[in-house]
Amino acid sequence: GQSLEQPSEVTAVEGAIVQINCTYQTSGFYGLSWYQQHDGGAPTFLSYNALDGLEETGRFSSFLSRSDSYGYLLLQELQMKDSASYFCAVREGSGTYKYIFGTGTRLKVLA
Amino acid sequence: EPEVTQTPSHQVTQMGQEVILRCVPISNHLYFYWYRQILGQKVEFLVSFYNNEISEKSEIFDDQFSVERPDGSNFTLKIRSTKLEDSAMYFCASRHQGFSNNEQFFGPGTRLTVL
Repeated sequence: GQSLEQPSEVTAVEGAIVQINCTYQTSGFYGLSWYQQHDGGAPTFLSYNALDGLEETGRFSSFLSRSDSYGYLLLQELQMKDSASYFCAVREGSGTYKYIFGTGTRLKVLA
Repeated sequence: EPEVTQTPSHQVTQMGQEVILRCVPISNHLYFYWYRQILGQKVEFLVSFYNNEISEKSEIFDDQFSVERPDGSNFTLKIRSTKLEDSAMYFCASRHQGFSNNEQFFGPGTRLTVL
């Protein structure tokens, strides 16, 4: 079967660093994306990793290890506005347009 | 800044009725998607659409569902004979051309309530 597992909830304080993990088991793998979703809002794209290693975009970084079927999203200098749900999503193959989303992690940032 | 728009924002229907959810993707995007999200759960892929035809569909996207791009701007999802379990938020998304481009732009969603 296909699965993308994430912790259900993570709590951290303002200014801290938090890591949200994603382990996947899919029929194919072409790349891993991360999306942010505020309550009542639409998912917004954060990052994409096709190759092993770290991708940095401002306060957010994303890491991928294809051999471990694992990735994570790293959020630095946390702000209250970062309180949201975060989803990883796998693109299954080079010839596909299908994206499978993870279970989602709710991040709570405390003052 | 260009954005994906969806109408209506909220649709209430009786079980067994047909609904059409509408989306206007970003104008120069070529790949279109429908997703659904049951309250508090993950985003689920329904269908992808490219070059005026379905590229892929999930096991959720059975004969009850259909998609259409009736003109150069609208992209619709039709749900026939709605069921209670179809109640969810439905998101449309679009993506620019370029196979290496993986950034999908999501619309604000349509909340479908089936009574």
